[in-house]
Amino acid sequence: EPEVTQTPSHQVTQMGQEVILRCVPISNHLYFYWYRQILGQKVEFLVSFYNNEISEKSEIFDDQFSVERPDGSNFTLKIRSTKLEDSAMYFCASSPPGLSSYNEQFFGPGTRLTVL
Amino acid sequence: GNSVTQMEGPVTLSEEAFLTINCTYTATGYPSLFWYVQYPGEGLQLLLKATKADDKGSNKGFEATYRKETTSFHLEKGSVQVSDSAVYFCALTFNQAGTALIFGKGTTLSVSS
Repeated sequence: EPEVTQTPSHQVTQMGQEVILRCVPISNHLYFYWYRQILGQKVEFLVSFYNNEISEKSEIFDDQFSVERPDGSNFTLKIRSTKLEDSAMYFCASSPPGLSSYNEQFFGPGTRLTVL
Repeated sequence: GNSVTQMEGPVTLSEEAFLTINCTYTATGYPSLFWYVQYPGEGLQLLLKATKADDKGSNKGFEATYRKETTSFHLEKGSVQVSDSAVYFCALTFNQAGTALIFGKGTTLSVSS
C-alpha cells in the first residue's frame, strides 16, 4: 500500500541554523501539507501546496518557513533560522487529486526536530 | 473560528472495557469529521470519518456518529484490546482538497491486560 515517507526521522540542530525536512508524498497525489505538533500540544496546520503554489497557510507559517517541490517526488519544508520554539514533530501529508468528497489526508510518520 | 475540543487524557482501561472519547467541535459551515489514531512510533492514520449530520463512521470496532445538534463526534468501542493503546485525535475539515485539518489535542488511551 502506498504511503507517505519522511526523512530524517529525527533532526537535531543548533538555534539559528537552517533545516530542511523532506517528504515523499503518495505518487498520484497532488495536494501536499505540513503540520507540526509541539510536545503535549495539538497538531497544527502550517501550509498546503498545490500546483507548485501555496494554497493555504496558517499564521504560524511566517517568513522563516518555505516549501518547495524540487522534483517530481519530494516535498520539502525549510526553516531558515531555527528557534528553540520550532522544536516539534513535523508531519507531512498528501491528498488525492480531484474534488474529494471529504478531503482525506494521508500522513507520514513525522520528523522530530530538536533545536538546541 | 473553527476548533475541536477533546476530553483530556490519559484514559486507562482494562481489556474488554467500554471506551468513550468525547469530541465536540465549533465550525462555521458544514465540516467533515474524522478520528485519526497514532500508534507508538508511527504517523497519523485515519480511523474513521463522517461527512454529514447523522452519518456514522466505523472501523475496527470503533464508531462515531456526527451529531449536528450537539456538535459532537464521540468515539466509542464496545470492547477495547491492548493493541488499541494509542493516541486518538478528533479533527474537522471542509470538503475541499487543500483545506487544513483542524485537530483536537489528542487523547492517550492505555489498555492493560
